[in-house]
Amino acid sequence: ILNVEQSPQSLHVQEGDSTNFTCSFPSSNFYALHWYRWETAKSPEALFVMTLNGDEKKKGRISATLNTKEGYSYLYIKGSQPEDSATYLCASSPMDSSYKLIFGSGTRLLVRP
Amino acid sequence: DTAVSQTPKYLVTQMGNDKSIKCEQNLGHDTMYWYKQDSKKFLKIMFSYNNKELIINETVPNRFSPKSPDKAHLNLHINSLELGDSAVYFCASSPGTVSGNTIYFGEGSWLTVV
Repeated sequence: ILNVEQSPQSLHVQEGDSTNFTCSFPSSNFYALHWYRWETAKSPEALFVMTLNGDEKKKGRISATLNTKEGYSYLYIKGSQPEDSATYLCASSPMDSSYKLIFGSGTRLLVRP
Repeated sequence: DTAVSQTPKYLVTQMGNDKSIKCEQNLGHDTMYWYKQDSKKFLKIMFSYNNKELIINETVPNRFSPKSPDKAHLNLHINSLELGDSAVYFCASSPGTVSGNTIYFGEGSWLTVV
């Protein structure tokens, strides 16, 4: 993998459903993985920054895991609510450039009431 | 108070014009960035400044010139605007490198070149 890839591109779920998305990144040139939540016309909002293989982070109903050896991270949302509707972005910070984030194109989540 | 603020939020201008987008952060961060959301919706880094020094210039056309008068401000000036410059431009800041630190984004400046 040369770039950061996210799947699926979009996802529609029913309120109360749990859901997850995937972020794949180049494991050979990796230092940190960021997750952001982005509502249109607002600032992308940081959720997590993870660096260690096996790391798990949690914020309310949202959690994330990191596998640096195989180059992927999962974001989980438990019991989705309509206010969770947003685009979820992941970004990799490569080892050879500590001021750069390489973003995926995002997963657009729509939670139906 | 808005942490990273950028102005204007919306800008419609004609091809060939010169325009600026201003950015200010009140977080006391050392590092500021400009990102561009491209046509495929990816956020791509354009420039990064650390303590007013340019540290990343990601092969952006030289019509784009960032200016950092102090570490709380990073303005983006664009000369001779082209249709392809239409995009959303995001300013951001961080307390040092992004290797372990969060980036804080502004709300974006929506530039349309007609």
